[in-house]
Amino acid sequence: GAVVSQHPSWVICKSGTSVKIECRSLDFQATTMFWYRQFPKQSLMLMATSNEGSKATYEQGVEKDKFLINHASLTLSTLTVTSAHPEDSSFYICSATGQGENQPQHFGDGTRLSIL
Amino acid sequence: GNSVTQMEGPVTLSEEAFLTINCTYTATGYPSLFWYVQYPGEGLQLLLKATKADDKGSNKGFEATYRKETTSFHLEKGSVQVSDSAVYFCALSDSFSGGYNKLIFGAGTRLAVHP
Repeated sequence: GAVVSQHPSWVICKSGTSVKIECRSLDFQATTMFWYRQFPKQSLMLMATSNEGSKATYEQGVEKDKFLINHASLTLSTLTVTSAHPEDSSFYICSATGQGENQPQHFGDGTRLSIL
Repeated sequence: GNSVTQMEGPVTLSEEAFLTINCTYTATGYPSLFWYVQYPGEGLQLLLKATKADDKGSNKGFEATYRKETTSFHLEKGSVQVSDSAVYFCALSDSFSGGYNKLIFGAGTRLAVHP
């Protein structure tokens, strides 16, 4: 149980294009989803937190106009990297959690984004 | 603020050796503690968790005990295998606010097990 699917797993695109990454909870209702960014050999950096039906809460230093997050249903959240540039290349990971205190986060397999 | 400190890697072991990865934390209140494992090119998988002092989390031969007196949650395994090679992250759940807990991660410890 508690499976989170992230798609695509790998994307390469030209500078200036926008890229959408999907995160789905397959067998539970995800009241909250998290988006992380991970640089090579480093830990996860939380970018934003989204609750179903409300605006995402962004961490300090993360540009909300650059990284658009939508959490339209209890099973789907999307992250759109707008007008992507090479410095946006990274490994992006989503996680989802159910309702209640101290619920564990369940992670997707990540998306490797490469901007040429 | 809350934080997690892990021992630096990489940790290199021979198969069947004993593993310890140290993790200490700083937190107000009573957070839950977690160990996550990340295999190359993948997301994180929950390995084990403990929600209160003296709880022992265990899974797949790994275990960790929530020690409030030493603010530690060290990961141990009696006999590692090559397939255990991965990066291990210690994490704590931050305060419950807005209907969810954020996770605060340690820097991660890379484990390499050789035959």
